[in-house]
Amino acid sequence: AQTVTQSQPEMSVQEAETVTLSCTYDTSENNYYLFWYKQPPSRQMILVIRQEAYKQQNATENRFSVNFQKAAKSFSLKISDSQLGDTAMYFCAFMKHENYGGSQGNLIFGKGTKLSVKP
Amino acid sequence: DTAVSQTPKYLVTQMGNDKSIKCEQNLGHDTMYWYKQDSKKFLKIMFSYNNKELIINETVPNRFSPKSPDKAHLNLHINSLELGDSAVYFCASSHVGRNYGYTFGSGTRLTVV
Repeated sequence: AQTVTQSQPEMSVQEAETVTLSCTYDTSENNYYLFWYKQPPSRQMILVIRQEAYKQQNATENRFSVNFQKAAKSFSLKISDSQLGDTAMYFCAFMKHENYGGSQGNLIFGKGTKLSVKP
Repeated sequence: DTAVSQTPKYLVTQMGNDKSIKCEQNLGHDTMYWYKQDSKKFLKIMFSYNNKELIINETVPNRFSPKSPDKAHLNLHINSLELGDSAVYFCASSHVGRNYGYTFGSGTRLTVV
């Protein structure tokens, strides 16, 4: 069974600075996907970034980037130029590859890291 | 707007009652899910339906029954509500094979008193 571990229950960062959230996972699968979701106080789950395990290049989305280390099973999220609106719970998630008409995976979440951006 | 919409957003009810949460997606996805988020914010899958067929049924009490009248709808019915059922319930959808992750509804906060 796959597991996702986020070892930092809470973190804080000053506005405009950079922060890195950690995530490790355990799987025997070779083909899978990793995600970071953001949950602000509004409760909405928002997809931040997605990484395909077969791609060596780290995914980036504007101020958000990941450091994907497949051998180490590590998938950290870096937020640059932190903004007050980045204050939220951040969840790392794993999904094994789904095939059309084949196996049905499901999204497995870590326990989350509560990030506070301070002015 | 293309989205996953679930109703109601808030639900307060007494122990022993029966309640339903509705979910609809207009994204053309073929798979829908129910997740439960507990008081510690942990998200755990409850059910998954693909084209109206039950795919995943995690260890959930029989009091919880999903119903999918078509692939755009997945409702959650809960019988004989208990205090421990208080949580936020999220509906989500995806398309098998696209592997883009899930699109979530805005959640339903259920409080059992």
